[in-house]
Amino acid sequence: GDSVTQMEGPVTLSEEAFLTINCTYTATGYPSLFWYVQYPGEGLQLLLKATKADDKGSNKGFEATYRKETTSFHLEKGSVQVSDSAVYFCALEGGSQGNLIFGKGTKLSVKP
Amino acid sequence: NAGVTQTPKFQVLKTGQSMTLQCAQDMNHEYMSWYRQDPGMGLRLIHYSVGAGITDQGEVPNGYNVSRSTTEDFPLRLLSAAPSQTSVYFCASSYGGTIYGYTFGSGTRLTVV
Repeated sequence: GDSVTQMEGPVTLSEEAFLTINCTYTATGYPSLFWYVQYPGEGLQLLLKATKADDKGSNKGFEATYRKETTSFHLEKGSVQVSDSAVYFCALEGGSQGNLIFGKGTKLSVKP
Repeated sequence: NAGVTQTPKFQVLKTGQSMTLQCAQDMNHEYMSWYRQDPGMGLRLIHYSVGAGITDQGEVPNGYNVSRSTTEDFPLRLLSAAPSQTSVYFCASSYGGTIYGYTFGSGTRLTVV
């Protein structure tokens, strides 16, 4: 069945460092892909999305490009801030009903 | 807008007890879902609804019931709580499904002892 694999965390970076969180997927067809973010004590928020191959989603300085050749959707940010500390979830629209299928999440901690 | 409101925020149950987790949204969203979040497991879909009167099972539905009598409300019922149901539960809603993005509530942390 459809699935999402994310890099294991936690990830600890210094402020202004470059961030990459790897995400690969297994799915039939070409599903829409998403990154959600969960700040401490809160629910998930949609960070960005891409609906077809080669699309680039972007928001708040984060970017991810839908790569069908490598079935990947890696999240990147050029310069992280302490306020980016959160858990990041990669997800796809999949399954028999087109619901969200999540990866296990990657916890990011940014130190000043 | 309040968005998606979940109550209670925290709950402790004894094994065998039943309870209802409440979820309400004020955005007139048709799609609503319940997820559970467990350490190292990500979020898993329990039940979902595509409109009032319509519900369906997700990945992990056993031990849970739902109903959708109105567009606004989507309660989750635990029939006979078990320690394996200790988790954080999130309700989410969407205007038209996955592609529009889901709005999540802030969660209910449930402990079954």
